[in-house]
Amino acid sequence: AQSVAQPEDQVNVAEGNPLTVKCTYSVSGNPYLFWYVQYPNRGLQFLLKYITGDNLVKGSYGFEAEFNKSQTSFHLKKPSALVSDSALYFCAVRETGANNLFFGTGTRLTVIP
Amino acid sequence: DTGVSQDPRHKITKRGQNVTFRCDPISEHNRLYWYRQTLGQGPEFLTYFQNEAQLEKSRLLSDRFSAERPKGSFSTLEIQRTEQGDSAMYLCASSLYLGLAGVSYEQYFGPGTRLTVT
Repeated sequence: AQSVAQPEDQVNVAEGNPLTVKCTYSVSGNPYLFWYVQYPNRGLQFLLKYITGDNLVKGSYGFEAEFNKSQTSFHLKKPSALVSDSALYFCAVRETGANNLFFGTGTRLTVIP
Repeated sequence: DTGVSQDPRHKITKRGQNVTFRCDPISEHNRLYWYRQTLGQGPEFLTYFQNEAQLEKSRLLSDRFSAERPKGSFSTLEIQRTEQGDSAMYLCASSLYLGLAGVSYEQYFGPGTRLTVT
């Protein structure tokens, strides 16, 4: 069975500082990994994905994520946080052969001016 | 903007009433998904369609729930005899599936329909 853990409900970071939002996963076989962001009263917006290849993937709005197979992690990172990055971030996984996404419980990121 | 759209955005209904939601996917996308999101949780998969065929249903999709995608374009999700536990955000997503290539691109989500059952 697939599962996703986002160990931090809340992450606070000062504007301009680097940010990391953590995600670990458990799947059978090779994972497809995704990050989505949700702003208030809006749907989820796709940020980036890992399917295969380079372990460091770059996405929208300056975000990137590093796939670590040995640690089964896919942490979201950004070198310099903006106040506008404040939102709810979801990590999701799809097992090979599955068709739906399985989401974590989300991490609320607050960037402090 | 030609993204995924959902209607209505908000719905308040009394327990026992039926409700229907509509989703219009991105036009070239052949797969359409329904998810449910409750407060403090991530979205949970309900069902998905490839073109007009409903290919998978989650155990969360009780027999009071029914989804259709009659022409392979828009989809409707109906909840009969609503219960207070049905209160949630219902999200629709679409994606492009490339058949034999087996490639399923990322899912793009609509803004959701927030259902409140009183």
